[in-house]
Amino acid sequence: EVQLVESGGALVQPGGSLRLSCAASGFIFTNYAMTWVRQAPGKGLEWVSAISGDDVSTYYTDSVKGRFTVSRDNSKNTLYLQMNSLGAEDTALYYCAKNAASGTAFYDYWGQGTLVTVSS
Amino acid sequence: EIVLTQSPGTLSLSPGERATLSCRASQSVSRNYLAWYQQKPGQAPRLLIYGASSRATGIPDRFSGSGSGTDFTLTISRLEPEDFAVYYCQQYVGSPPITFGGGTKVEIK
Repeated sequence: EVQLVESGGALVQPGGSLRLSCAASGFIFTNYAMTWVRQAPGKGLEWVSAISGDDVSTYYTDSVKGRFTVSRDNSKNTLYLQMNSLGAEDTALYYCAKNAASGTAFYDYWGQGTLVTVSS
Repeated sequence: EIVLTQSPGTLSLSPGERATLSCRASQSVSRNYLAWYQQKPGQAPRLLIYGASSRATGIPDRFSGSGSGTDFTLTISRLEPEDFAVYYCQQYVGSPPITFGGGTKVEIK
């Protein structure tokens, strides 16, 4: 059974940093690209970042480029999102999601999310 | 960046009725790289449809997707009580950015 479990969300002050983790199980982690999607309170879904299965390629939405870094540890089956210079606009529930197949970017499994709140 | 516009924003229907949700793209979605997700309150999104018309594993056949180019539709043939939720379309053409539509809420009339 595929499971994705996010952690690391917290209340953080503007300008602060946070690292999110997503522990994966139930599939061959290194075979799949992984993605972070966020959802601000009461709002829709926003794609944030993705990383290839072999850890070679990374992608970001414009609003987080230079502030967020996605990474993965395939030996630990874990995905990460390092978030720096956080602002109120980054307040959201952050989901990790598994890309369904090689070369495609739709998501067949999602975690339950971890909440990031940026506030003073 | 491909912008996806979903309509209507809210659809008020009764159980047993047919729901038709629209997703319009600002430019052609090549290879029909369009997916639909369902999200219930307090839950993560669930994949319903990919490739515009292929049902994901375990999705009932009352859900169907259609369309091509810039116009796509998700149809729920007969609404069950558990189908009242928010639905999002998503395009995954080429490299990121990946984009989602703003969502359609299907509520009980």
